[in-house]
Amino acid sequence: EAQVTQNPRYLITVTGKKLTVTCSQNMNHEYMSWYRQDPGLGLRQIYYSMNVEVTDKGDVPEGYKVSRKEKRNFPLILESPSPNQTSLYFCASSSGTAPPGANVLTFGAGSRLTVL
Amino acid sequence: KQEVTQIPAALSVPEGENLVLNCSFTDSAIYNLQWFRQDPGKGLTSLLLIQSSQREQTSGRLNASLDKSSGRSTLYIAASQPGDSATYLCAAPSIYNTDKLIFGTGTRLQVFP
Repeated sequence: EAQVTQNPRYLITVTGKKLTVTCSQNMNHEYMSWYRQDPGLGLRQIYYSMNVEVTDKGDVPEGYKVSRKEKRNFPLILESPSPNQTSLYFCASSSGTAPPGANVLTFGAGSRLTVL
Repeated sequence: KQEVTQIPAALSVPEGENLVLNCSFTDSAIYNLQWFRQDPGKGLTSLLLIQSSQREQTSGRLNASLDKSSGRSTLYIAASQPGDSATYLCAAPSIYNTDKLIFGTGTRLQVFP
């Protein structure tokens, strides 16, 4: 089944404790992206990647890191989480070399992170 | 700053009604527009993608229209069912960087029996 898989789905952590949210897709998609969703603010893009070893900042990249060493994986790293990073996180991917908005985005099920 | 707005934030209708969800965007030069559905505890599912050269797209009971000149898109749901209950979001690529999608805040739809 074609899908985007995120782990963990739920996580409670404390301020300053490094964590990684993994994202993997099995569709050989070039484009991958991370979003956070907050009440009243909608989905905001954190980072995106057009292909292996190519990453770019989205609208809210502060406090996050990403890497794209393999085509299928795009982990989101919080080096020193803070309470304002408590949110629902989504990973997404799409195919093709055209702008990703031109192609259907496939989303993961989401990862709910709470930072105390 | 490019923005995408959805009004109303929530909508409750009886089963069987035809309904329209609205999406407004501030810049008419958008590349395309997508409509998504989000169920509680789940990710987003793409419903319809309308290219800038198109005026509408249809899938089953769903019809999405795009009017770039007025900065509006509508999602029409015919003969609504309780299973249509979800949050519906629209999104358009940024005109400054089409690698970025700008999402609306969504309309939470409840269809009651």
